[in-house]
Amino acid sequence: SAVISQKPSRDICQRGTSLTIQCQVDSQVTMMFWYRQQPGQSLTLIATANQGSEATYESGFVIDKFPISRPNLTFSTLTVSNMSPEDSSIYLCSAGIGGLTYNEQFFGPGTRLTVL
Amino acid sequence: AQKVTQAQTEISVVEKEDVTLDCVYETRDTTYYLFWYKQPPSGELVFLIRRNSFDEQNEISGRYSWNFQKSTSSFNFTITASQVVDSAVYFCALTRFVTGNQFYFGTGTSLTVIP
Repeated sequence: SAVISQKPSRDICQRGTSLTIQCQVDSQVTMMFWYRQQPGQSLTLIATANQGSEATYESGFVIDKFPISRPNLTFSTLTVSNMSPEDSSIYLCSAGIGGLTYNEQFFGPGTRLTVL
Repeated sequence: AQKVTQAQTEISVVEKEDVTLDCVYETRDTTYYLFWYKQPPSGELVFLIRRNSFDEQNEISGRYSWNFQKSTSSFNFTITASQVVDSAVYFCALTRFVTGNQFYFGTGTSLTVIP
């Protein structure tokens, strides 16, 4: 198994500012993922964070808005840039464990973001 | 394209009743994984089960059981003798074996168990 932690756990931010969310895994993992869960909604994949290369973004998400870093095999950050109230969501990171087949995928506790 | 459908948006049951949460998926892949996660009010996602596409055996874990049927592309989840602590949102999800392994989540079913 893996333990994933996120910082901050929650934040309230002003419109136009940026917030960087940190994700730490207690073991080395090849792939990490960032998801967004808007209020009352399901999880939507933002991007896949690859170590040593650029993140791969899903349709509707762009690097300028959600820059991602992956400096090593246990850590990643997601920045929500130039925030608006529509960015108010829970942001979750996850890591694929178990090699190529990812027998389990573990999720962090999430970061609850409120943009005023 | 991958798609997961959870048609039941909200379900309410009285404690000790059995409840089944439905999950129907779409994929053209022959190899894939199906998952169920629980999201209690605190917000974290709790892993419940993973099933690969080659294993259609039903699984039971305590009060939880899962019925995987490839013929109907369904992976239903039953809670027996429900308890108040089972109240949560439950997500069914699909991952592809081939690339990325990102999850395709259903929209979730909110279960309320009434004491």
